[in-house]
Amino acid sequence: ETGVTQTPRHLVMGMTNKKSLKCEQHLGHNAMYWYKQSAKKPLELMFVYSLEERVENNSVPSRFSPECPNSSHLFLHLHTLQPEDSALYLCASSQETADSGNTIYFGEGSWLTVV
Amino acid sequence: AQSVTQLGSHVSVSEGALVLLRCNYSSSVPPYLFWYVQYPNQGLQLLLKYTSAATLVKGINGFEAEFKKSETSFHLTKPSAHMSDAAEYFCAVSHQGAQKLVFGQGTRLTINP
Repeated sequence: ETGVTQTPRHLVMGMTNKKSLKCEQHLGHNAMYWYKQSAKKPLELMFVYSLEERVENNSVPSRFSPECPNSSHLFLHLHTLQPEDSALYLCASSQETADSGNTIYFGEGSWLTVV
Repeated sequence: AQSVTQLGSHVSVSEGALVLLRCNYSSSVPPYLFWYVQYPNQGLQLLLKYTSAATLVKGINGFEAEFKKSETSFHLTKPSAHMSDAAEYFCAVSHQGAQKLVFGQGTRLTINP
């Protein structure tokens, strides 16, 4: 148990569906992240939120829409995805951003399959 | 820009043998360096990190890593491999003022009985 909880753990969706991934951290952290992990590719940072403000958006397609309503919750809204978006989506949090060597704590991930 | 290179996408050792996973980084400023481990169907877990204190860093599960500035390396070692060490290992780098952690491509460690 890392203190970062992701739901659902597995999601299968059609290309025309709209779904959301949810992340909750119980660590009192101020920064939250979405990463994408695909086979044969390095971990890709998608979004960074610090104190509920988006501070980084790594050229992610608009079919991925993040939402951070408070410092404990982070969502990734998904719509009109493509099969190549199938991957493990990892949520993470840290006390602050990567500044000062803060440890980033990861959830167990949400496996997404787009059919 | 910072980057990390992990030499060898797949390393295989015998149980009880030395584990050595290589990581080289590129950074124009003093780096912070991390090793994470990912067991099957799980997220990433911190093994150890270097943040400009002692250059030899000890982590969990008997792992350690040494920061060598002259070689821009942060290799991960464990004297004696255990079957439970089979996992994917990621090296990562950041620095003061960074907004994000940059990960290497990962090394899959297999332990042979």
